[in-house]
Formats: sequence, C-alpha cells, structure tokens
Amino acid sequence: SQTIHQWPATLVQPVGSPLSLECTVEGTSNPNLYWYRQAAGRGLQLLFYSVGIGQISSEVPQNLSASRPQDRQFILSSKKLLLSDSGFYLCAWAGPQETQYFGPGTRLLVL
Amino acid sequence: RKEVEQDPGPFNVPEGATVAFNCTYSNSASQSFFWYRQDCRKEPKLLMSVYSSGNEDGRFTAQLNRASQYISLLIRDSKLSDSATYLCVVNRGGSYIPTFGRGTSLIVHP
Repeated sequence: SQTIHQWPATLVQPVGSPLSLECTVEGTSNPNLYWYRQAAGRGLQLLFYSVGIGQISSEVPQNLSASRPQDRQFILSSKKLLLSDSGFYLCAWAGPQETQYFGPGTRLLVL
Repeated sequence: RKEVEQDPGPFNVPEGATVAFNCTYSNSASQSFFWYRQDCRKEPKLLMSVYSSGNEDGRFTAQLNRASQYISLLIRDSKLSDSATYLCVVNRGGSYIPTFGRGTSLIVHP
C-alpha cells in the first residue's frame, strides 16, 4: 500500500532563516505530487505540483520554491522565511482521478 | 464567483440528526468531485468520491448536480465523532489541479 511521509512534524524558525521540508512517497511509481499550505483558519492553498522528476509547476508567486530530485521525493524550500510563511504545510500524492492523499503535515511557525 | 464555495458554518446539531452540506463550483468542465474530512490540526482525509449517479457509504450520501453546478453531502444519524471540517474538492476540467473549498465545520453535540 502507498504511504506518504513528511518531516519534521513541527518547526519553529526565525524570520530570514532558510527552510527545507521533505516529502517522500512509498508504494507507487511516478506519482503526481503536490505541496499545499493551510494558514490558520483558512482553506488549503495549492503551492506547487509536479508530474515527474524535475518538473515543477507553481500555482502562486511567493517566497517558496519546490524541487523533485527523485521520483518519490518532493522538497519545499525557502531562502529567507517571512512571518507570512507560517502555516500548516501538506504534501499529497494523487491517486485515480487525481484523488489527493495527504501526508501528516508540517506545522511551521515563523517568529 | 469563487471556484469552489462552501458555507463555513458551523453547523451545530444534536446526535442522531441529519445534516446536509452543499458546495458550488464555477468551472462547468470539472470532472472529478470529492468530499474530505479534516479533524483539528490533522491532514484532510478522503471521505468519498462523488459520482454522477450519486453514491452512498453507510450514513453518508453524496450527490452531484451538474446542471446547477453543486455537490452535496448528507450525513444521517450524526455521531459525536462526525464533528470535523468537511472539505469539498473539485478538479479543474482536463488538468491535474484540485481546488479545495474552505470547508464546512460540523459540531455534533450530545
């Protein structure tokens, strides 16, 4: 069966520091992968999606970037965090009809 | 009009009640529809897909109305454990892009 891992679960970072969040998927090949952010009391905002290694599409202009160095690895990064980057970051892979299956998420607090 | 709209609620209902949520979408080319459940501080989890003919899973029934561009979720015999936020998801027609509604909060009380 497919499983999706994200780490860390919680992260507290100072403004201006770099960020790297990792997501890995097991049990499937060449999945479509997604990064979302959910700010407190807000809906899910799609940040990036990837249909294959090295292929990244950005949904919104922002302070973040994404990379897919391996088939089942998706990384979200920032060179300098802003206060507004705080939120709940979720990675997902897509099943049939693009059904989204989410990892446990990383809760990021930028101070 | 937003791509996917939901009444945020909260819907506050007693145990055993029947409650229904609607979700409207703007893209008439959308082909895939889902309901997700999200518990507080947790990731969303798939509750059910929504098919053109409607579908039922135990106490949960989902319906799609393409003409009016909305989907619905009916929960019968509500349990305390049904308390959560219910997210409507619509995939943009012909793409890999899902759009999430902001969710409807349900509180089931004794």
